[in-house]
Amino acid sequence: GAGVSQSPSNKVTEKGKDVELRCDPISGHTALYWYRQSLGQGLEFLIYFQGNSAPDKSGLPSDRFSAERTGGSVSTLTIQRTQQEDSAVYLCASSLGGQGYEKLFFGSGTQLSVL
Amino acid sequence: DQQVKQNSPSLSVQEGRISILNCDYTNSMFDYFLWYKKYPAEGPTFLISISSIKDKNEDGRFTVFLNKSAKHLSLHIVPSQPGDSAVYFCAAQGFKTIFGAGTRLFVKA
Repeated sequence: GAGVSQSPSNKVTEKGKDVELRCDPISGHTALYWYRQSLGQGLEFLIYFQGNSAPDKSGLPSDRFSAERTGGSVSTLTIQRTQQEDSAVYLCASSLGGQGYEKLFFGSGTQLSVL
Repeated sequence: DQQVKQNSPSLSVQEGRISILNCDYTNSMFDYFLWYKKYPAEGPTFLISISSIKDKNEDGRFTVFLNKSAKHLSLHIVPSQPGDSAVYFCAAQGFKTIFGAGTRLFVKA
């Protein structure tokens, strides 16, 4: 597709369940970011993938959060044993990557609600 | 540790007047700065950017100013229009891109 695609757009889950959020970046973009926006808060950096380099996981809030990027394209963010404080909009962005002066292109996000 | 700070959570401006949104950063290694605009239920969209070698970049009604010595940048919108009402995020880029908390702009007709 022409833009960054995220699925699902909305996810309601029960506390303690695992969830997987998917991101399809723009074709050819080697950099991929995950951010989250909690209610009334800004964009919190979670993780950054750049090509074949080891991902920058410095923003992941706990070891319940993990992400992978298969084949340098699609990425999945997994949250294990979800908690109510995990409720937020999870945003994925991609960019051409590696050249500096990069514009990020965002998906519409996944609204996660943990009951 | 907030590396990018937007200290005003909201701003209200009359249509036709200037809107000024401010952003401060702490890391002198940042070399590229961007502003994004976000409407509810949508992802942020790119608005304007500036590299650290410049102090001003203009695009239509939008101008971004960078003061490197003060580690401060600002976004000017003039004239402001009701359709500009949105949340504006400042971002700074070094190895990765870090966003501020956002400023919600209300433009009153």
